[in-house]
Amino acid sequence: AQKVTQAQTEISVVEKEDVTLDCVYETRDTTYYLFWYKQPPSGELVFLIRRNSFDEQNEISGRYSWNFQKSTSSFNFTITASQVVDSAVYFCALSEWYSGGSNYKLTFGKGTLLTVNP
Amino acid sequence: EPEVTQTPSHQVTQMGQEVILRCVPISNHLYFYWYRQILGQKVEFLVSFYNNEISEKSEIFDDQFSVERPDGSNFTLKIRSTKLEDSAMYFCASSEGLVPEAFFGQGTRLTVV
Repeated sequence: AQKVTQAQTEISVVEKEDVTLDCVYETRDTTYYLFWYKQPPSGELVFLIRRNSFDEQNEISGRYSWNFQKSTSSFNFTITASQVVDSAVYFCALSEWYSGGSNYKLTFGKGTLLTVNP
Repeated sequence: EPEVTQTPSHQVTQMGQEVILRCVPISNHLYFYWYRQILGQKVEFLVSFYNNEISEKSEIFDDQFSVERPDGSNFTLKIRSTKLEDSAMYFCASSEGLVPEAFFGQGTRLTVV
């Protein structure tokens, strides 16, 4: 069974600080995908990134970066120079191919509430 | 940019009433999903749908729930007799299939009173 753990329930930082959100996953599959979603106060889920299990290259997109380490089953998310607009709940999610049902359902972590104070 | 559309954005219903939540997935997508998020909690998988049938459902998706794709464009979630604990945000998602890039709608907030 797949599982995603986001141990940090809430993080509070001051604007311009760097912040890292942790994500640890469990899966028995060798092929899987990892995601990060942002949920602002308005409630929608905003897709940030998808990585497949064969691609351990770190990725940077503007102030966002992701560190994927299969050896520790972690997929951490760093926001550099945080801004008030980054305040949201961030979810890490895992997807395996479920051949029995022919679908890629997502298993989410419990989320980390990030508050960036001015 | 194509998007998943859900209606209504907010629905209030009385306990015991039936509700239908509607979704229009992205047009060339083949896989459809419903997820639920109780306030302040994580997003949970309810059901996936492919080729006009349920491909997987969670233990949450009991006999009170049903899904259908009535006309080739809409994808609906019906709750037959709502309970207070059904109050949640319901998200519809769709994907092409071979790559699990799930596109989520903006959600329907269901409040059962």
